Amino acid sequence: EVQLVESGGGVVRPGESLRLSCVASGFTFPDHGMNWVRQSVGKGLEWVAGIVWNGGTTDYTDSVKGRFTISRDNAKNSLYLQMNSLSAEDTALYYCARDYYGLFLAPDYWGQGTLVTVSP
Amino acid sequence: DIVMTQTPLSLSATPGQPASISCRSSQSLLHSDGKTLLFWYLQKPGQSPQLLVYEVSNRFSGVPDRFSGSGSGTDFTLRISRVEAEDVGVYYCMQSIQVPHSFGQGTRLEIK
Repeated sequence: EVQLVESGGGVVRPGESLRLSCVASGFTFPDHGMNWVRQSVGKGLEWVAGIVWNGGTTDYTDSVKGRFTISRDNAKNSLYLQMNSLSAEDTALYYCARDYYGLFLAPDYWGQGTLVTVSP
Repeated sequence: DIVMTQTPLSLSATPGQPASISCRSSQSLLHSDGKTLLFWYLQKPGQSPQLLVYEVSNRFSGVPDRFSGSGSGTDFTLRISRVEAEDVGVYYCMQSIQVPHSFGQGTRLEIK
C-alpha cells in the first residue's frame, strides 16, 4: 500500500523558514517523480513544486521560485520542501504527492497533508 | 500560464442519473510525444485528492468504470454514467504540459 506521510508544518511568522518532509513507503521511491501541492483553507489546489525520479530536474510555480527548494533522498525514501521568506500567502495545507510517471506530470497518490500557517 | 476553466462550478445530481463536467484549457494540452496531459481528480469531503483519470481518458487503478473522460486539444469532459452517493466531492481537472501545472477551480458535486 502506497503511503506518504508529511511532517514539519507549523505556525511561523512572516519572513521565517520551515522545512517540510515526506516519508514514502509501499512503492519503489526512486521510480517516481514527486510533487508538492498546496491548498488554502476552503480553496482549490495549487501545484507548488516537482522533482524527477533522480532529483536531476526540479521546477516551481512562479510565486515560490527563489524561496522554496524541493529535494529528495532516495536512500531514505524521503521528499523535502525547504521554504524560506514565508508570507501569509503561503498559508495552506501542503500535500506530498507521488507522480504517476518518473517525471513530475501527474500526482497519483497523495499524503494527508501538513498545515503551514504564516501569521504575525 | 495555462488557465483551466471548469463548468459548472456546482452540480446537483440524482443517484443513478448521469452527470458531466467540462474543462477547457487556454492552450492545447497535446504534447509532441502524442500524449495529452489532462488529468481528473476527485477530492472527497475531508480527504486528500485522488487521481481518477490520466491522459484524458485512462481510468486510474481502482476507479469504477462509471467514470469516463474524453476530449482533445483544449476541451475535455468527465462523465459519470450513473452517479452514486460516494461520488460527492470536488472534481478538478489539471494540466501538466506546461509549468506551472494548473488546476481548474473545481466542480462541487452534491447528491439530490
